Formats: sequence, C-alpha cells, structure tokens
Amino acid sequence: AQSVTQLDSQVPVFEEAPVELRCNYSSSVSVYLFWYVQYPNQGLQLLLKYLSGSTLVESINGFEAEFNKSQTSFHLRKPSVHISDTAEYFCAVSDPGNQFYFGTGTSLTVIP
Amino acid sequence: DAGVIQSPRHEVTEMGQEVTLRCKPISGHNSLFWYRQTMMRGLELLIYFNNNVPIDDSGMPEDRFSAKMPNASFSTLKIQPSEPRDSAVYFCASSLSDSNLHFGNGTRLTVT
Repeated sequence: AQSVTQLDSQVPVFEEAPVELRCNYSSSVSVYLFWYVQYPNQGLQLLLKYLSGSTLVESINGFEAEFNKSQTSFHLRKPSVHISDTAEYFCAVSDPGNQFYFGTGTSLTVIP
Repeated sequence: DAGVIQSPRHEVTEMGQEVTLRCKPISGHNSLFWYRQTMMRGLELLIYFNNNVPIDDSGMPEDRFSAKMPNASFSTLKIQPSEPRDSAVYFCASSLSDSNLHFGNGTRLTVT
C-alpha cells in the first residue's frame, strides 16, 4: 500500500519570504505525485504533478516541486510567497490502479 | 467544461433523517471518488468507482452509508439515518485513468 506523510501541519511565513512544504511517500510500485491546493470553502485544485520526465515540475503561479526518488520526497517550494498563497496544501500519490492517497495537509499562512 | 458538479452546496438536517448527496462527474471521466473532510480526520476516501462499478468501499464508515453510480454521469451518496458525527464536507471527484483528480466544491453537511 502507498502512504503520504506531510511533516508540517501548519507553516506561517512572512510575505515575500521563501517557503518549503515537505512531503514524503512510501510505495512499493511506481507512482505519480501531485500537489493540490484548497482555498476556503472550495474543493481541492491541482497545483502541479509529476508523471515522468524532468524531476522538477512547476506551476503557473511560481510554485515548484522536485521528485527525489532516493529520498522518496516531493517537497513543494516557492521563492517568494504572496498573501494569496494562504491556503491548505495537500500532497498526493496515485498508483497504477488509479487509487489516490492524500497526506493530512499543510496549512500555509502568509503574514503581511 | 463545467467541472464536477455537486448538490446541494449546504445541507442542514436533523439526526435520524435521510440525506442524499449528488454528484455529476466530468463527461468522459471513468473514475469517481467520494471523500469526506473533517478537521479531526482530514480527507478520507469513502468509496471509489471505476466505469460505474464500486472498486473499493472500505472507507465507508458503516452500513448507514451507501453509494450508487447508476450511469457514467451521476452518483449519489446516501446516509440513513444521519447522525451528528456525520457532519463534514463531502467531496466528489472524477478522473481519467492515470490523470489527476478533479474535485467538486463539496457539500457541507450539518446534522443537528
């Protein structure tokens, strides 16, 4: 079975500072990796994903994540956060059977 | 594309009443998922359909919960009888195989 661990439940950071949200996974099979973002009173939205190819993937709003197979990690980073980045962030993996496994989420709060 | 459509957005009911949540997945998607989100437990997978067939219902809390997918464009999650501990946000999501999940905006259920 697959599992996802998000090491930080809450991350406060000042506006324009860098941030890293950590994600580790365990799996005995090849998986796809995802980061989802959830704004208040909304469903989860895909932020970025790794399926194959380059291990560094980027989103349109400046986030990036790097797949590290040896460390089984997929940490999310942004060099300079904005107030609008305040949200809940979920790391997820999917297996060949299209089953999705989510972490417990990290609440990112950007402080003005 | 209208996305995944869930109804109602909010439901308030009294303990013991039957509750039915509805979901219309994205046209062409072959997998459908029902999730429950609470502060205490985070995001929990309740049941997963592939090509309208339930594949994994191990997350369904108990016999009071049932889910159906009579066709590729409609699914229901029913709770009968409802209890206060069922209060949560229920999300429906759909996907194509090997693709990301597309979430609806959820149904916020309050059982008094």
